[in-house]
Amino acid sequence: DAGITQSPRYKITETGRQVTLMCHQTWSHSYMFWYRQDLGHGLRLIYYSAAADITDKGEVPDGYVVSRSKTENFPLTLESATRSQTSVYFCASSKLAAAKNIQYFGAGTRLSVL
Amino acid sequence: GQNIDQPTEMTATEGAIVQINCTYQTSGFNGLFWYQQHAGEAPTFLSYNVLDGLEEKGRFSSFLSRSKGYSYLLLKELQMKDSASYLCAVKRAFGGGGADGLTFGKGTHLIIQP
Repeated sequence: DAGITQSPRYKITETGRQVTLMCHQTWSHSYMFWYRQDLGHGLRLIYYSAAADITDKGEVPDGYVVSRSKTENFPLTLESATRSQTSVYFCASSKLAAAKNIQYFGAGTRLSVL
Repeated sequence: GQNIDQPTEMTATEGAIVQINCTYQTSGFNGLFWYQQHAGEAPTFLSYNVLDGLEEKGRFSSFLSRSKGYSYLLLKELQMKDSASYLCAVKRAFGGGGADGLTFGKGTHLIIQP
């Protein structure tokens, strides 16, 4: 049972470069989410997706692009990385949108933008 | 908008009991989650409350008062492995507009001393 996996686990890049963080889940969950976690802010929602080809903005979407061509994959792209995007990025999935549906998190990607 | 407050850090002794409080102000409420996060790891689900009252699960219990916008997580018989951050998160009412993801507090770093 692979669950939800993120790659890479660690990434160092330079300002202005494009970076794509990958997220893959094997549960066939409908909903997928991208969060970033920074000291002093906690986890903040970047984008989410209710199903393949359906995505929507979260709290902090600026500078990020997502796509969901297949249910199991939800990549997050930083089109032109900035130092302020240095963070730990977590992908999560849940079966449905109903209230009690638990979000399960991947192990995270630690991104440093120099 | 939403605002979630919890203490930044707490210290407790092995074998004792600790209560971590969370207060929230939110437009639309569809449940409150508690997650545990060990350093460098993914958040993992602990509990969910949507109705007022206490939910007990082994050594962990969670309480909710919707009228007061208040929840707590109670940890009994503390063990060293309980040293972690505890994240309070509120889910918006479905269809209330905006993101369907969770809104997290900044987390409470719990330190367990021998």
